[in-house]
Amino acid sequence: EAQVTQNPRYLITVTGKKLTVTCSQNMNHEYMSWYRQDPGLGLRQIYYSMNVEVTDKGDVPEGYKVSRKEKRNFPLILESPSPNQTSLYFCASSFRRYGGTELMNTEAFFGQGTRLTVV
Amino acid sequence: DAKTTQPPSMDCAEGRAANLPCNHSTISGNEYVYWYRQIHSQGPQYIIHGLKNNETNEMASLIITEDRKSSTLILPHATLRDTAVYYCIVRLKTSYDKVIFGPGTSLSVIP
Repeated sequence: EAQVTQNPRYLITVTGKKLTVTCSQNMNHEYMSWYRQDPGLGLRQIYYSMNVEVTDKGDVPEGYKVSRKEKRNFPLILESPSPNQTSLYFCASSFRRYGGTELMNTEAFFGQGTRLTVV
Repeated sequence: DAKTTQPPSMDCAEGRAANLPCNHSTISGNEYVYWYRQIHSQGPQYIIHGLKNNETNEMASLIITEDRKSSTLILPHATLRDTAVYYCIVRLKTSYDKVIFGPGTSLSVIP
């Protein structure tokens, strides 16, 4: 089954304790990204990756790191979590397919979310 | 800032068509309009996308105005399970890029 898997689904941690949220997709997608969702703010993109070893900042990258060493995995790293990073996090992936002679972006597939609480 | 604007909330009677509007007045010629929905706090789910022609699939129809500055997502026969937050976004047709979601429209389908 095609899917994007995030782990853990729920995490409570303390300020300053490094953590990693994993994201894995089994669809050989090139594009992967991380979002955070806070009440009233919708989804805000943190980082995205266009392929292995290629990443770029989204709208809210401060306090986060990412890496893309393999195509299927895109972990989100919080080196020193703070309470303002308490949020619901989503990972997503997509790819491009040929439409005529052009490579066209496809829809994104989202993981089920990771609810992070930093106390 | 989001490239799209949507009403924050809407109601729709069960069994009736739900018409969700979206403004994207600064859309460029190489950007698609995508619609997603999010039920409770689950991962967003893709619904439909289009460039300039109207599109229909098993979930919904997408009507894009001729000037491409706005669009409407139509759920033809809304059910209680369609209660969700609906997001309209624009995205480059061919290049990978930053993706910006707005707050979306919270649709409540009422029995």
